[in-house]
Amino acid sequence: GAGVSQSPSNKVTEKGKDVELRCDPISGHTALYWYRQSLGQGLEFLIYFQGNSAPDKSGLPSDRFSAERTGGSVSTLTIQRTQQEDSAVYLCASSPGRSGTGRPGYTFGSGTRLTVV
Amino acid sequence: RKEVEQDPGPFNVPEGATVAFNCTYSNSASQSFFWYRQDCRKEPKLLMSVYSSGNEDGRFTAQLNRASQYISLLIRDSKLSDSATYLCVLYNQGGKLIFGQGTELSVKP
Repeated sequence: GAGVSQSPSNKVTEKGKDVELRCDPISGHTALYWYRQSLGQGLEFLIYFQGNSAPDKSGLPSDRFSAERTGGSVSTLTIQRTQQEDSAVYLCASSPGRSGTGRPGYTFGSGTRLTVV
Repeated sequence: RKEVEQDPGPFNVPEGATVAFNCTYSNSASQSFFWYRQDCRKEPKLLMSVYSSGNEDGRFTAQLNRASQYISLLIRDSKLSDSATYLCVLYNQGGKLIFGQGTELSVKP
């Protein structure tokens, strides 16, 4: 597609349930990122996939969070046993690859707004 | 200490005003710097890159001071459409963007 696509756009779930958030990156982009943005806050890095390299999971807040990227394309972020503090907008971005200086080539999707009740 | 720090604002200014945003970063090894703009309930979008030599794009000027680990964004002749949150961002050696919490700007008629 022309841009980064995320689904669902909105998700309301009950505390304790598992949720899966999906990201379709721009075709050909080798790098894929997940960020989280809580109300009134900046973007918090979660996880980064680059090609076939092991993902950088350093931003995942707990072991309830996991992500995978199948075939170097679509990515799924899974949150198990959701808690109210997980409520946030989850943003996915893709990039052609590593960029040293200049434009990083990041394109963000419009996000999934997760509400845990 | 957060890796990127910004004044959260909000900055409320009249149309035509000049407004300046500041940002500091803690990791001297950071490679590249950017300003992103985020409209309410929208995803962030790249506004401009920041260089030590300065970078100007119309009414917007960005500046980097590596010695002081300080980044600035100046908006001249502000417009109503400039109302948004401005995010200071650095690109680190690990290959990811680190975002500040953002500074909210509201331009009033």
